[in-house]
Amino acid sequence: RKEVEQDPGPFNVPEGATVAFNCTYSNSASQSFFWYRQDCRKEPKLLMSVYSSGNEDGRFTAQLNRASQYISLLIRDSKLSDSATYLCVVNGPRYKSTFGDGTTLTVKP
Amino acid sequence: ETGVTQSPTHLIKTRGQQVTLRCSSQSGHNTVSWYQQALGQGPQFIFQYYREEENGRGNFPPRFSGLQFPNYSSELNVNALELDDSALYLCASSPRDHPYEQYFGPGTRLTVT
Repeated sequence: RKEVEQDPGPFNVPEGATVAFNCTYSNSASQSFFWYRQDCRKEPKLLMSVYSSGNEDGRFTAQLNRASQYISLLIRDSKLSDSATYLCVVNGPRYKSTFGDGTTLTVKP
Repeated sequence: ETGVTQSPTHLIKTRGQQVTLRCSSQSGHNTVSWYQQALGQGPQFIFQYYREEENGRGNFPPRFSGLQFPNYSSELNVNALELDDSALYLCASSPRDHPYEQYFGPGTRLTVT
């Protein structure tokens, strides 16, 4: 079993849809959590950090559930430009970062 | 503010050779991490450097080694290249007060033939 697991998708949604991704992790000692987006053949770009209290950045909402060991990303009012692969990363302990294999989102007109 | 830069962009090597990849961290960042990303997979953590010392390592053999310099730039060295080492190698730097907040460079695409 992988330390960090994501549904690979692909998720194909129409513009304006709401879509949610989950990511589960196995190490209960993990310390911090982030979402990244990666466009085809480009580097990952930091999207947002994830806290137990939840955090929101415009159309994006991230949430951490420590008890169930998963993090989520919600995208509202999807845009064509949201099409990308979304990677979750789980950090720690001991300065180790573990990425999931990503969930691919395609937003269609 | 200059972002993370990596060189070279692309590289082709032969099995058994050695390779050195370079990374310049973003201004104000003092932590550098290296990743290997195969097609269709997420980045795999190789190691992290802070204050010129390796302070975290993933499941990679000792033929993967690194250095960090006083100006926080870094090198990744891979000895005895194998075909499976073909991948995108990513460098990420982090600010002093947020070591897990990583900003990636464009990567070096290594092909081993």
